[in-house]
Amino acid sequence: FILTQPHSVSESPGKTVTISCTRSSGRIATNYVQWYQQRPGSSPAAVIYEDNRRPSGVPDRFSGSIDGSSNSASLTISGLRAEDEADYYCQSYDSSSHVVFGGGTKLTVL
Amino acid sequence: QLVESGGGLVQPGGSLRLSCAASGVTFRGFEMNWVRQAPGKGLEWLSYVTSSGTTKNYADSLKDRFTISRDNAKMSLHLQMNSLRVEDTAVYYCVAGGITHFDVWGQGTMVTVSS
Repeated sequence: FILTQPHSVSESPGKTVTISCTRSSGRIATNYVQWYQQRPGSSPAAVIYEDNRRPSGVPDRFSGSIDGSSNSASLTISGLRAEDEADYYCQSYDSSSHVVFGGGTKLTVL
Repeated sequence: QLVESGGGLVQPGGSLRLSCAASGVTFRGFEMNWVRQAPGKGLEWLSYVTSSGTTKNYADSLKDRFTISRDNAKMSLHLQMNSLRVEDTAVYYCVAGGITHFDVWGQGTMVTVSS
């Protein structure tokens, strides 16, 4: 299966933005979804794992959810800050434990 | 902390062995992965090994060209890459964690395949 993300999103500081990740086949709820943030020039870092869990140190402005009706996962960032400007990748895996990444979404904080 | 090494310039068809040294983590307790990122492109998972090293998994696209291994006594992870192609040019990341949480990422090592 493939995970499809919007190429880019943009929003103003203080606002809320949602990034979607749609699974092409198989149920989105079958396997956990993770989200990674990659700031320019840096390595990726997890912001959400197992659909909606936040790693230690990640602010609660970041949240994850799953929607079976659209077969998609979403990353929501509230109270946008300039430091949130980054590329965001969703990730899941198949029944053979092969990992799949989405193509990435570039978030611009206007 | 994870620190990769071994990257560099290699000709098409050549081989390279990447290494990842761990410190400050209980290395033997972590599942480990290699993930790469071609210039200006997204993330691509390559391979996974369990904490004991007994189970390994690879992306289908690698077609048996890459081999993952680990040495828990030396707290190190390796990726042997053979028959390298131009399209293997990328930053290669060592990543600690299972497939539901890539917890710790190295800074990456650049591999350039070019004649």
